Amino acid sequence: DAGVTQSPTHLIKTRGQQVTLRCSPKSGHDTVSWYQQALGQGPQFIFQYYEEEERQRGNFPDRFSGHQFPNYSSELNVNALLLGDSALYLCASSYNSVFTVTEAFFGQGTRLTVV
Amino acid sequence: DAKTTQPNSMESNEEEPVHLPCNHSTISGTDYIHWYRQLPSQGPEYVIHGLTSNVNNRMASLAIAEDRKSSTLILHRATLRDAAVYYCILRWGNTGKLIFGQGTTLQVKP
Repeated sequence: DAGVTQSPTHLIKTRGQQVTLRCSPKSGHDTVSWYQQALGQGPQFIFQYYEEEERQRGNFPDRFSGHQFPNYSSELNVNALLLGDSALYLCASSYNSVFTVTEAFFGQGTRLTVV
Repeated sequence: DAKTTQPNSMESNEEEPVHLPCNHSTISGTDYIHWYRQLPSQGPEYVIHGLTSNVNNRMASLAIAEDRKSSTLILHRATLRDAAVYYCILRWGNTGKLIFGQGTTLQVKP
């Protein structure tokens, strides 16, 4: 089992550009969440996708959008990049069980640098 | 969102037990207590979770106060590989988002 895989691992973009980050969840997982982690800080929740719909959203502007595909993989899109968007972007997958609490598995992240 | 409070850093000697405290005085009845850790240059890793009773797994133990306003993660024998940032998180039910705080940076000395 490959676990949660994210691509690319590193990315450098220019202010104002748009970026798409990708995530493949762990086998058997149907829920994908995205987090932003600035240097020296804990991860901040961006949004969560389940059944191809955004189920929860954190305090992030509309420039951050996402998508979940029928195979449960997900994309995070950020438009009009700002210098402050430079961070490690983490994807986490889990299984939406109604019977038990399940753990989230995180990928290694995509390091985005905006210059 | 309910908040947690943890010490910024702790030190331990290798092969000794480590007790990592967490305060969560505003916890609600439906909040589960989760612990994750993040090793350098890696994504967070699940450690353990509990609701009311103490919990044990192969990685650690979780001791939950009777009033649920605090909890303690116990690593029974710290190794150098346990050096990481440990996050105490309150998660609503099974679908709630994970709200990370600053966490506790654990240093393990040989």
